[in-house]
Amino acid sequence: DGGITQSPKYLFRKEGQNVTLSCEQNLNHDAMYWYRQDPGQGLRLIYYSQIVNDFQKGDIAEGYSVSREKKESFPLTVTSAQKNPTAFYLCASSYHFGQGGAYEQYFGPGTRLTVT
Amino acid sequence: GENVEQHPSTLSVQEGDSAVIKCTYSDSASNYFPWYKQELGKRPQLIIDIRSNVGEKKDQRIAVTLNKTAKHFSLHITETQPEDSAVYFCAASRNTGKLIFGQGTTLQVKP
Repeated sequence: DGGITQSPKYLFRKEGQNVTLSCEQNLNHDAMYWYRQDPGQGLRLIYYSQIVNDFQKGDIAEGYSVSREKKESFPLTVTSAQKNPTAFYLCASSYHFGQGGAYEQYFGPGTRLTVT
Repeated sequence: GENVEQHPSTLSVQEGDSAVIKCTYSDSASNYFPWYKQELGKRPQLIIDIRSNVGEKKDQRIAVTLNKTAKHFSLHITETQPEDSAVYFCAASRNTGKLIFGQGTTLQVKP
């Protein structure tokens, strides 16, 4: 299960606190992504980054922030502005899309965040 | 906006039977269609994908078909086994790298 890692596996926070989730990859992938997964639902895109120092909002970016200072790392901060932060967070990476379209995304093991 | 609808949400089959999951996409510019399998508590993993220049792709017991005119694609699993039990997600993407996922199908294969 190497290649893309997330830490920690479980995270507990009090309401009102910001929390940062780690995502690291050694696959030499250009693009990285953050998804949120709620029970019985699909994966919803929070943010994605196609190159270092650049990122775009996904479908549910409100209350989240990211940075991409290194190719290998794409941390996600869940801020106190996120109304329902308790969820399973998945990070993914892929090669930059080419003329043939997108490439396979490889997922990390996920971080389960619980905010009380 | 971009949308992917996936059906059914749950599917129960007897071991050895076939299973079919269908997805419909809204963006006609979509050209890449992967299928992911997610076992309970684990990460999604790609099981098969297809690009828009191909109508069908097969890998052992798994096949995917694509109908670009109707904007739908399907996953076919033959000779199902208990270890096929998982949640399956379809997705669609155009030339952006951004995947739009369906809502998922929980497949249960009964021994």
